[in-house]
Parts: sequence; structure tokens; C-alpha cells
Amino acid sequence: DTEVTQTPKHLVMGMTNKKSLKCEQHMGHRAMYWYKQKAKKPPELMFVYSYEKLSINESVPSRFSPECPNSSLLNLHLHALQPEDSALYLCASRRTGTAYEQYFGPGTRLTVT
Amino acid sequence: AQSVTQLGSHVSVSEGALVLLRCNYSSSVPPYLFWYVQYPNQGLQLLLKYTTGATLVKGINGFEAEFKKSETSFHLTKPSAHMSDAAEYFCAVTYTGGFKTIFGAGTRLFVKA
Repeated sequence: DTEVTQTPKHLVMGMTNKKSLKCEQHMGHRAMYWYKQKAKKPPELMFVYSYEKLSINESVPSRFSPECPNSSLLNLHLHALQPEDSALYLCASRRTGTAYEQYFGPGTRLTVT
Repeated sequence: AQSVTQLGSHVSVSEGALVLLRCNYSSSVPPYLFWYVQYPNQGLQLLLKYTTGATLVKGINGFEAEFKKSETSFHLTKPSAHMSDAAEYFCAVTYTGGFKTIFGAGTRLFVKA
């Protein structure tokens, strides 16, 4: 199984809402990523978890709160977002060690109204 | 700073023609190199990768790429374009021991009938 799943596929939320994005993989990968992708741009790294611990936070605003409850799951909690946060949010995973390729999920299309 | 440059934000080819997408990286040490493809409203999919060994690497869907250390390049080619190849292509690099992947800006491939 080389699949990373993400739910929901689409999300529309108001600026005062609280919502969560979910990512799951069952490949035994111990590094998991959140990216933000705006239209016609490359993915922009937000967070990296390694062995369930946050190892990289790319100075992301606190209205985005990541969580890694176990080695297969990654959540992104959203609160008080701004319209400019509307984007495709991608989750990815990879093995640790020398295998550096990442496996991406299909993404969640987020619209903030 | 390490960077990845993709020459040409848009490339247009006729069906059956050669596809050539260019990628150059800046680094004093050899990186791990990747090409990813992204179809509309989907996540990124790994096309191929170079880690060590043979400098000509073959990937999925008939694509291949050649690592040229002297030119710091990793250009992507396919002998004969198909309509289904129309997508966004990202060149990316990762360095030993690193969790971060540096993406190029992307090249949109158009295939004309």
C-alpha cells in the first residue's frame, strides 16, 4: 500500500470556525509533512514530524496547529483563518534513513470565506 | 542558498514530439534529485529519482532523466509526448540527512493534438 489519504477533499470555512484536516498512511513511514500550495506555485513546507515529534516548523502562524497522534496519523487544526489561507493543503510521508522521496496525498482544497 | 531552477514556466509540444523539461540546481555537494508530476486538483506523484549510481534514471510513464554533475543539471525527457502527459512538473532536491525538499517553480507541459 503506497497511499496517503487525506480528508476532507474540500473544505469551506468561515474566519471564526475551527476545523481539522486529517492525513493517514500505512506504509510505516516515520516522517510526515504538511505543505501549503497556492495556484501555479510549488508546495510550500509548513511542518515536518519525525517519529511523531515536530522537527520543523517553517514559522507558520499559530492559527495552524499540527498534531501527530501516532505514526500513521497527522492532523492540522485550523482556527481563525484568513482568506489568504485558502489553498490546497498537501500531506506527504517518507521513510527515514536514505530514502528521501516523498509520497503525497491528494490534498484538501480549503476555502476561507 | 541552495536552489532549484526550472527553465521555462510553460512548455508546449505536439503529440508524439520529444519532451524536454530543464532543471538545474545550485549546490556544492551532490543532492538527491527528483521529478514529481501534478495533475489538476491532485497531489504530487513521484516520476523518478536519482540517489547514487547510474546517472540515467528511468521513471514511470516513459520518462527518464540524466544527472550531469558537471552541469548541475537533471533534465527530464520523454521521446514521444502523449496527451495524458499534460500536467505540472516539479524538479526537487534533498540533501543527505535533511528533511527539507527544495522544489523548483514548476513547468506546465501542454500537449497539442
